[in-house]
Amino acid sequence: GAVVSQHPSWVICKSGTSVKIECRSLDFQATTMFWYRQFPKQSLMLMATSNEGSKATYEQGVEKDKFLINHASLTLSTLTVTSAHPEDSSFYICSARRGQEPQHFGDGTRLSIL
Amino acid sequence: SQKIEQNSEALNIQEGKTATLTCNYTNYSPAYLQWYRQDPGRGPVFLLLIRENEKEKRKERLKVTFDTTLKQSLFHITASQPADSATYLCALDTGGNTPLVFGKGTRLSVIA
Repeated sequence: GAVVSQHPSWVICKSGTSVKIECRSLDFQATTMFWYRQFPKQSLMLMATSNEGSKATYEQGVEKDKFLINHASLTLSTLTVTSAHPEDSSFYICSARRGQEPQHFGDGTRLSIL
Repeated sequence: SQKIEQNSEALNIQEGKTATLTCNYTNYSPAYLQWYRQDPGRGPVFLLLIRENEKEKRKERLKVTFDTTLKQSLFHITASQPADSATYLCALDTGGNTPLVFGKGTRLSVIA
């Protein structure tokens, strides 16, 4: 149980393109979803927290107009990187949580902007 | 300031030995402490959760201890195998709806 699916797993696109990443909790309803960014050999850096039906809470230094988060249902959250540039290239990981249970993570999306 | 530290960036051990990883924290009062495993290019996988009122938790070859006085958690893998090689992350959960705070991880290599 507690499976989180993240799609796509890998995307390469041109600078200026917007990229959407989906995160789904497959077998449970997630009250909260989280989006992280991870650089090589670094830990996970929290970008934002989202609760179903409400606006995401962004961490300091994360541009909300750049990283659009939509949490439309208890099983789906999306992260859209708008007008992506090479510096946005990274490994993006989502996680989902039901109540006080442990967070369960997706397998990440490797984003490469050329 | 609040800090969470995993004392080794990398740890190499011989197959069959017990691996011990350390997680220390300052200026937090976690309700729970969690350990995750992360393989290269993959998301973290939940392993164990220990509550502030628990001293020890076990799951198969894994054991976690939690000392709120020392502000430290130890993570043990007994009879280690090369397949245990991965990065292990500790994470603090202060409860409520707050997100986990992760350490930087320890990269464990088990050598056959």
